[in-house]
Amino acid sequence: DIQMTQSPPSLSASVGDTVTITCRASQDISIYVAWYQQKPGRVPKCLIVDASILQSEVPSRFSGRGSGTDFTLTISSLRPDDFATYYCQKYNSAPFTFGQGTRLEIK
Amino acid sequence: QVQLVESGGDVVQPGRSLRLSCAASGFTFSRYSIHWVRQAPGKGLEWVAVISHDGNTKYYADTVKGRFTISRDNSANALFLQMDNLRPDDAAVYYCARGAIAGATYPHDYWGQGTLVAVSS
Repeated sequence: DIQMTQSPPSLSASVGDTVTITCRASQDISIYVAWYQQKPGRVPKCLIVDASILQSEVPSRFSGRGSGTDFTLTISSLRPDDFATYYCQKYNSAPFTFGQGTRLEIK
Repeated sequence: QVQLVESGGDVVQPGRSLRLSCAASGFTFSRYSIHWVRQAPGKGLEWVAVISHDGNTKYYADTVKGRFTISRDNSANALFLQMDNLRPDDAAVYYCARGAIAGATYPHDYWGQGTLVAVSS
C-alpha cells in the first residue's frame, strides 16, 4: 500500500506568517491529493482537491502544489481562524490513506 | 443541502459487535461512493472502508479487514458498517463521508457529524 508521510507533525507560527506543510507519497499518485482542515471538536473540512484546486469558499491564502509523490499546502498571511490541524489524503485508489496530520499552533 | 447523519455508536465490550448507520439526504445517494473514516480520541484521521455507488465494490483498511463489513441500501439512502469482534483500538468517532460520483475520482467533500464507539470491558 502507498504511504503518505506528512511533515512537520506540528508547527508554531504567528498571525501574518506564511507556512508550508509537506506530504510525500511512497509511490506516484499523480495529482490525487486532498487537504483537509480540522478544528478541535469539529468535522474535517475539505480545502483542496486534485492537489491544487481550492474548494468553494476556501480563502485564496490557501494554496496547494505538487504531483507524483511530493505535495505541499501553503497558507499565506495566517489568520487566527487558520490555527487547526491539517491532513493530506491520497484518493487515486484504495486504501484512501491520510497523512499523520500537522497541528498548526499560535506562537 | 447535503446531509449525512450517523447513528449506532455505543459502548461495547471487546469481542462484541456493533452496527453503525448513516442516513443520507440532499443528493442522489445511488450515484456516489460512500466512505467510513474514524478518529480515535486525540489521534488523526484513519480511512476505514468504501463502497461503490452500486454496492458491488468494497475496500477496507487492513486494520479492519475480515472484521468490518460495509453495505448500503440505495432504496433507503442508507449506509451501514457492521463491526464484529471489536477491539479496544477500534474505539473512535466514526464518520461517514461522501466520495466520488460514479466514474470519477474525488475525495470527501461532505462529512457527517460522527458517532462515538467505545470499546471497554
